[in-house]
Amino acid sequence: AQKVTQAQTEISVVEKEDVTLDCVYETRDTTYYLFWYKQPPSGELVFLIRRNSFDEQNEISGRYSWNFQKSTSSFNFTITASQVVDSAVYFCALSSTGANSKLTFGKGITLSVRP
Amino acid sequence: AAGVIQSPRHLIKEKRETATLKCYPIPRHDTVYWYQQGPGQDPQFLISFYEKMQSDKGSIPDRFSAQQFSDYHSELNMSSLELGDSALYFCASSLLFATNEQFFGPGTRLTVL
Repeated sequence: AQKVTQAQTEISVVEKEDVTLDCVYETRDTTYYLFWYKQPPSGELVFLIRRNSFDEQNEISGRYSWNFQKSTSSFNFTITASQVVDSAVYFCALSSTGANSKLTFGKGITLSVRP
Repeated sequence: AAGVIQSPRHLIKEKRETATLKCYPIPRHDTVYWYQQGPGQDPQFLISFYEKMQSDKGSIPDRFSAQQFSDYHSELNMSSLELGDSALYFCASSLLFATNEQFFGPGTRLTVL
């Protein structure tokens, strides 16, 4: 069975602070995908990133960066210079690469960025 | 670019009534997934279809059924609605053996009174 743990439930920061959202996963699959989604108060799920388990390179996209460490089964997400618009619930998710590729989500982290 | 379409966006029903949620995947996507997200919860997988056949099943109540039609749109039918069925229902579509990037629709917010 697959499992995603987001130990942090709520984080509050002041604008322009950096913040890291942690994600730890468990799977018996040798190949898998990891994802981060953002869910703003309006409710939609916004795709942020997909990472194949073969690709351990870290990735940066603007103020966002992701640190994938297979050795510790972690896929952490850092927002640099946070902004009020970053306030949302952030979900880490895991899927297999085969036919049964449903997403297993973590419980989510509520990020509040104060002006 | 075309996105996943869900209808209706909001639905209010009474207990014991029936509801039908519709999902129109991105053109040429062959797989549809349904997820249920209760208040303050993470999305939970319900069921998926690949090429109009059920491909996987999660914690979907027996009162719910779903299918994918020849035009690839999918419907989630929910009967004997209970208060606990109040949730946000997401549909997602993907090209299964491509990148498995699941594109989510905006969701249908179901309220059962």
